[in-house]
Amino acid sequence: EDQVTQSPEALRLQEGESSSLNCSYTVSGLRGLFWYRQDPGKGPEFLFTLYSAGEEKEKERLKATLTKKESFLHITAPKPEDSATYLCAARIQGAQKLVFGQGTRLTINP
Amino acid sequence: SAVISQKPSRDICQRGTSLTIQCQVDSQVTMMFWYRQQPGQSLTLIATANQGSEATYESGFVIDKFPISRPNLTFSTLTVSNMSPEDSSIYLCSVEDRAGVRADTQYFGPGTRLTVL
Repeated sequence: EDQVTQSPEALRLQEGESSSLNCSYTVSGLRGLFWYRQDPGKGPEFLFTLYSAGEEKEKERLKATLTKKESFLHITAPKPEDSATYLCAARIQGAQKLVFGQGTRLTINP
Repeated sequence: SAVISQKPSRDICQRGTSLTIQCQVDSQVTMMFWYRQQPGQSLTLIATANQGSEATYESGFVIDKFPISRPNLTFSTLTVSNMSPEDSSIYLCSVEDRAGVRADTQYFGPGTRLTVL
């Protein structure tokens, strides 16, 4: 069964303290790996798509990387406004749907 | 990317009643998706709605409980029928940006927060 697992479930950091979020996937064939940010009471906001192992994407303080088994979302010198739940999702070859992980709830303390 | 709106943004309903959620997109899209996000959980796909054809439902979801309409390329509705407290969730529609730069990417609406008493 296709499965996406995120860790940790929750992460609390001090402002400026860099860290990484993990997304491991077990799927029959990966078409793309997606990262979203979700603020409370809102829909997921698209961040990145990664298609092949070794690919990296960056946006401001965030960088996403992909291997054959997992993806990492690195956050460098985070600010309180980076506090949110970060979701990763896998799109399977030959299918339209996204399989989501449970998310990592990130809190950045000032 | 497409701009997606949903109505209502939230509602509180009595058990046994039905609620229809609307999803409007500012551009024509082929594929629209309906997801459910239960409290503290991640997103689960309910069904895929293509214009001009019947919706395709995921395992565990049936048309009698979640009928979907897709009358044109910019609009869809999801009805939650005969509601029970277990249906309390956030319901999200999404569209796929096949024509855009980021092909295959799904963009999400703001969601409808449903509480069933």
